[in-house]
Amino acid sequence: GAGVSQTPSNKVTEKGKYVELRCDPISGHTALYWYRQSLGQGPEFLIYFQGTGAADDSGLPNDRFFAVRPEGSVSTLKIQRTERGDSAVYLCASSLTGDRANTGELFFGEGSRLTVL
Amino acid sequence: GNSVTQMEGPVTLSEEAFLTINCTYTATGYPSLFWYVQYPGEGLQLLLKATKADDKGSNKGFEATYRKETTSFHLEKGSVQVSDSAVYFCALKAGRGNLFFGTGTRLTVIP
Repeated sequence: GAGVSQTPSNKVTEKGKYVELRCDPISGHTALYWYRQSLGQGPEFLIYFQGTGAADDSGLPNDRFFAVRPEGSVSTLKIQRTERGDSAVYLCASSLTGDRANTGELFFGEGSRLTVL
Repeated sequence: GNSVTQMEGPVTLSEEAFLTINCTYTATGYPSLFWYVQYPGEGLQLLLKATKADDKGSNKGFEATYRKETTSFHLEKGSVQVSDSAVYFCALKAGRGNLFFGTGTRLTVIP
């Protein structure tokens, strides 16, 4: 597509439930990133994929968070046993290349707003 | 470690006023520096970037110069417009794939 697409745009769930957030990157972009943005804060890095593999998952807060990108395109961020503190906007971004091109621009989607009640 | 410290907002200016948003950074190695902007209802988008010391990034009348000696990348615009109202994020990329962002500065320009 023309830009990075994220679904759903809004998700309200109850504490303890399982949630999946989807990201469809720009066609041809090999690098894909997930960030989390809490109210009044800057985006916080979660995980970065180069192709199908997670090149850096050091930002995932705990083992309730997991992300996949099985075919090197669409990615799904999965959150198990959601907690109220998981409420945030989850941003996805893609770029042509990853860390080999230190100047690479990231293209962001509009985000998925998650609210855990 | 890598981090970005950004001027806290919100900032409110009259149209045609001069804008400065301060940004300083801490990084290992030689980072690239960025300003991203988030307009209301839209996703983050790159405003400008600089990849090495003394480089000046510029776009849409905005400028920022990469100052290694002061570890700064301050954003400036000589004459702001109402359409510049947005949240501005300073960010750095230091070797790995991810960006480190500041907390953002909300700018409101009033006619």
